[in-house]
Amino acid sequence: GAVVSQHPSRVICKSGTSVKIECRSLDFQATTMFWYRQFPKQSLMLMATSNEGSKATYEQGVEKDKFLINHASLTLSTLTVTSAHPEDSSFYICSARAWDPSSGNTIYFGEGSWLTVV
Amino acid sequence: AQKITQTQPGMFVQEKEAVTLDCTYDTSDQSYGLFWYKQPSSGEMIFLIYQGSYDEQNATEGRYSLNFQKARKSANLVISASQLGDSAMYFCAMREGYLYSSASKIIFGSGTRLSIRP
Repeated sequence: GAVVSQHPSRVICKSGTSVKIECRSLDFQATTMFWYRQFPKQSLMLMATSNEGSKATYEQGVEKDKFLINHASLTLSTLTVTSAHPEDSSFYICSARAWDPSSGNTIYFGEGSWLTVV
Repeated sequence: AQKITQTQPGMFVQEKEAVTLDCTYDTSDQSYGLFWYKQPSSGEMIFLIYQGSYDEQNATEGRYSLNFQKARKSANLVISASQLGDSAMYFCAMREGYLYSSASKIIFGSGTRLSIRP
C-alpha cells in the first residue's frame, strides 16, 4: 500500500511557541491531504482538507489562524500549531488520498504526532 | 445524526477465535465506500479492507472479511483465527460520494477496542 510519513512522531513545546508537523507521501503524489486530531480514546476528528496549491478547507470549529496548513507540493503538507497552549496537546495524524483502481479513493495515514504543550 | 455507528466500545476475545466487529452506517448516496482501519497503541492507522457500495461480493483480505449487508446498512468486520497482535482499536469509516470524486471525504465511527486473550 501507499506510504505516508509524518514527522516528528513526538514533540514537546513550551506554551506560546509554534510547532510544525510535516506529512509526506513517499511513493505517490497526493493532491489532497487531510489533518485529523484525536483525543484519548476517541475517534479521529477531521480538522482540515489540504489541496496542493490552494488554501486549506477547515472544518467547522477549527481555528484557521491557529492551525496553519500549507500544501506546497504534491508530496508535502505541513500543519503549524501557532501560539500553542496546553489544551492543544493531542495526537495529530495526517492522511493522503491515493487512487487505487480496486478501491477508488483510499486514505492512507501517517504515523501520527504526539504534541505535548507544557 | 451520526453517520457511522460502532456500538461495541470494547471486546475481549480468546486467541484463535473468530470475532465480529459491528458497524452500521447512514447515507443517502447511492455510491459510497466502506473501510476498516486498525489503530495499535502506537497510534498509526492501518488500512485493512474496503467494500464499495456496488460490489456484489463481500470483500476479503487474508484473515479479514467484510460482511456487507446493504439493505441493513451494515458493514461488519470479521477477523478469523484472532491473534494477540490483533489487539488494537478498530475504526469503521465511510467515504460518501462518487468513487472517482476528488471531493469525497472519509468519516469515522467511534471505534471498538479489541483485546485478544492468550
